[in-house]
Amino acid sequence: ETGVTQSPTHLIKTRGQQVTLRCSSQSGHNTVSWYQQALGQGPQFIFQYYREEENGRGNFPPRFSGLQFPNYSSELNVNALELDDSALYLCASSSFTGTFYEQYFGPGTRLTVT
Amino acid sequence: DQQVKQNSPSLSVQEGRISILNCDYTNSMFDYFLWYKKYPAEGPTFLISISSIKDKNEDGRFTVFLNKSAKHLSLHIVPSQPGDSAVYFCAASVTGSQGNLIFGKGTKLSVKP
Repeated sequence: ETGVTQSPTHLIKTRGQQVTLRCSSQSGHNTVSWYQQALGQGPQFIFQYYREEENGRGNFPPRFSGLQFPNYSSELNVNALELDDSALYLCASSSFTGTFYEQYFGPGTRLTVT
Repeated sequence: DQQVKQNSPSLSVQEGRISILNCDYTNSMFDYFLWYKKYPAEGPTFLISISSIKDKNEDGRFTVFLNKSAKHLSLHIVPSQPGDSAVYFCAASVTGSQGNLIFGKGTKLSVKP
């Protein structure tokens, strides 16, 4: 069984640029969530995708957008990058246990905005 | 306004002793709580969870206790091992929120041989 994978591992961008991060969900999982983890903070929920549609969103501006593909992989796009967007971006795929969506995280993409 | 708080940034424990990590929450709508462990350069790994209808859940060396009236939960690790050294995150969710997890800032546990 393949776990959650993310690419790239590290990325450096300049303020104002756009970035796309990618995530492949764990086999059998059809739901993908994205989180932003700033230094010294816990992960913060950005949004979730289920069956290729956004299915919940945290307190992030519209310049954070996403896609989910038929194979359940996902992309996170961030436009007009700001310095504060520098963070670890985590993707998690979900398995419904019957009572809860148990989330399995990938290793993350470290984004640095200069 | 932080809904999930881990007030101890770090904790140091001797190998073989008990580690107790604490977490407080403010949102009474939370009905499911989880603990994740994170090593450097890896994503968070699920450890143990508890539903609000329970006050205790055990899994091997890990036990989570929930005190709903105090809006407090704790993770006990007995006995602690050097491999347990990591950052531990408490997370909470509301059933029906599609698994939107609200995380605390984490507690860095160091278990010394």
